[in-house]
Amino acid sequence: QVHLQESGPGLVKPSETLSLTCAVSGFSIGSGYYWAWIRQPPGKGLEWIANVHHSGSTYYNPSLKSRVTISVDTSKNQFSLNLSSVTAADTALYYCARQEGVEYIRHWGRGTLVTVSS
Amino acid sequence: SSELTQPPSVSVSPGQTATITCSRDGLGTFDVSWYQQKPGQSPVLVIYQDNRRPSGIPERFSGSNSGNTATLTISGTQALDEADYYCQAWDSTVVFGGGTKLTVL
Repeated sequence: QVHLQESGPGLVKPSETLSLTCAVSGFSIGSGYYWAWIRQPPGKGLEWIANVHHSGSTYYNPSLKSRVTISVDTSKNQFSLNLSSVTAADTALYYCARQEGVEYIRHWGRGTLVTVSS
Repeated sequence: SSELTQPPSVSVSPGQTATITCSRDGLGTFDVSWYQQKPGQSPVLVIYQDNRRPSGIPERFSGSNSGNTATLTISGTQALDEADYYCQAWDSTVVFGGGTKLTVL
């Protein structure tokens, strides 16, 4: 069974970079699939951020692309998200997930809350 | 604003059929997925590729997609189906609908 666990700071200052890591167990990232980040502001809907394939191929949400970097580390079986120049609008529950191809998301982490505040 | 349009809320009586729509021009040409999210929990995939159910999802959940509208149907709705539901499609990027709160009265 695939298990995904997000980790990273729960509080980030405005204008700084938000950095999160997703540790994957029960499946080798190098075996395939796309690995994604999705966020959900408190009380609001889901917003897809980006995904990365083990080969390094990436897709980004156009509205966030200029601030987002996603990467994969197959040796550690984890992938990461960097979101630069954060503002209060980036406060959200951040989920990591496994995408089946590019179509749908079958496996989700539990999410980690990141608050942007000074 | 979301590119996939869902009604903000839908109400249904226990045992009745709940219908949640997701609209966008030409949506029928895309594969649509649906997710259920209960308070404090991660989303759960309930329908993928328009009408396929993952293992473990009850048969009362079904989906369809044609023209400009995809539909999630819950037959014999139960109290435990009360949740937020999100549609999702892929169009060079993952797009989610704004979500529909299903209330089972």
